Amino acid sequence: DIQMTQSPASLSASLGETVTIECLASEDIYSNLAWYQQKPGKSPQLLIYYANSLNDGVPSRFSGSGSGTQYSLKINSLQSEDVSIYFCQQNYDSPPTFGGGTKLELK
Amino acid sequence: QVQLKESGPGLVQPSQTLSLTCTVSGFSLTSYDVHWVRQPPGKGLEWMGGIWGDGSTAYNSALKSRLSISRDTSKSQVFLKMNSLQTEDTAIYFCTRSVITTTGLFDYWGQGVMVTVSS
Repeated sequence: DIQMTQSPASLSASLGETVTIECLASEDIYSNLAWYQQKPGKSPQLLIYYANSLNDGVPSRFSGSGSGTQYSLKINSLQSEDVSIYFCQQNYDSPPTFGGGTKLELK
Repeated sequence: QVQLKESGPGLVQPSQTLSLTCTVSGFSLTSYDVHWVRQPPGKGLEWMGGIWGDGSTAYNSALKSRLSISRDTSKSQVFLKMNSLQTEDTAIYFCTRSVITTTGLFDYWGQGVMVTVSS
């Protein structure tokens, strides 16, 4: 199975700040990488797919980049509603696997 | 609009069988795959398995011997059955739709159902 390693595990940032979350795959996943946002007590929601494509309705302050084994999620101008846990997931090979998650809190 | 909703018992005794139902609306089970993903309290997401639009299934190898996924297209329902439950199976269980047919890219999720394994 492809292992997905996220960093950091937790992150504290101020309103208006820019934050970056990293995701490392154990092998090349050819940009088949998705990011999900999970707000407290809710189900995950798809933010980004194929590494850099924004899902419908997702604010443009979210962006994704990367290739090969290294990917990142960037949030510009952090808002209070962005407090969540963020997960990466590879959909290159079965089984689909998730990163351990990054918990984003406000400072 | 697309909706998925899980239902099932909140409490299961150790060694017993878990049965969950995912009722979908807004799309056809013959056109989209539906998967089950679980999340132990305070932990990450684990893909359990899925049923494809053509009715074929795939399972996480760690759960394969205990897990079965089936469906009733006339009722727009997908079923999960997992036997020999242990305390480590305590988790929120989500059903989710995939928009790709190779692995899984999950665009809609149910609200989840909390299952506690305890005597």
